[in-house]
Amino acid sequence: DAGITQSPRYKITETGRQVTLMCHQTWSHSYMFWYRQDLGHGLRLIYYSAAADITDKGEVPDGYVVSRSKTENFPLTLESATRSQTSVYFCASSENRGTGLFYEQYFGPGTRLTVT
Amino acid sequence: AQKVTQAQTEISVVEKEDVTLDCVYETRDTTYYLFWYKQPPSGELVFLIRRNSFDEQNEISGRYSWNFQKSTSSFNFTITASQVVDSAVYFCALSAVLNYGGSQGNLIFGKGTKLSVKP
Repeated sequence: DAGITQSPRYKITETGRQVTLMCHQTWSHSYMFWYRQDLGHGLRLIYYSAAADITDKGEVPDGYVVSRSKTENFPLTLESATRSQTSVYFCASSENRGTGLFYEQYFGPGTRLTVT
Repeated sequence: AQKVTQAQTEISVVEKEDVTLDCVYETRDTTYYLFWYKQPPSGELVFLIRRNSFDEQNEISGRYSWNFQKSTSSFNFTITASQVVDSAVYFCALSAVLNYGGSQGNLIFGKGTKLSVKP
């Protein structure tokens, strides 16, 4: 199906475990993003990627690792999960049509992660 | 620093009422974009509108309209004749230039306004 998908949709893990959240988009968008959504904080950027093999930190990157070997995939890994990483994680993608042109981001359905 | 403020945390209206969701932003950029997203109870984020800083024309799409006023740094969203299906959290967002290349932006989100439309 066309669009942006995330897996798993729900995940429960224990403190200290490594967990990877997957994101896949079929639009060939250059940019991809990971946000977390927490009550009282809204959505905050964790990492983003401008293209394959180009990634950079956002507002709250600590404890997370990303990679982007293919344009369509942008996995997010929690190296050693902590309870403070319990959140809803959204992946998004966006076109890149030129400098200074900010296009809307399209979001995946989200992954609800609980760290016990 | 860039910031988006949605002062209304929750709004409750009765169906068919008009409702306006406020959004005030702060930025030093001369060129920027503003967005509205809807997050219904099912949880997904749905893009509603994108507006650039040089276009101050109001926009209307069906029952939805947006009023952009640069002078007051506001980008308000009005739903006319609200319906129960409009119940959702609505987010206003501002573009921010990312470190790399500057050709695309991160979104700085407000904390959202939860709209409840009662029958």
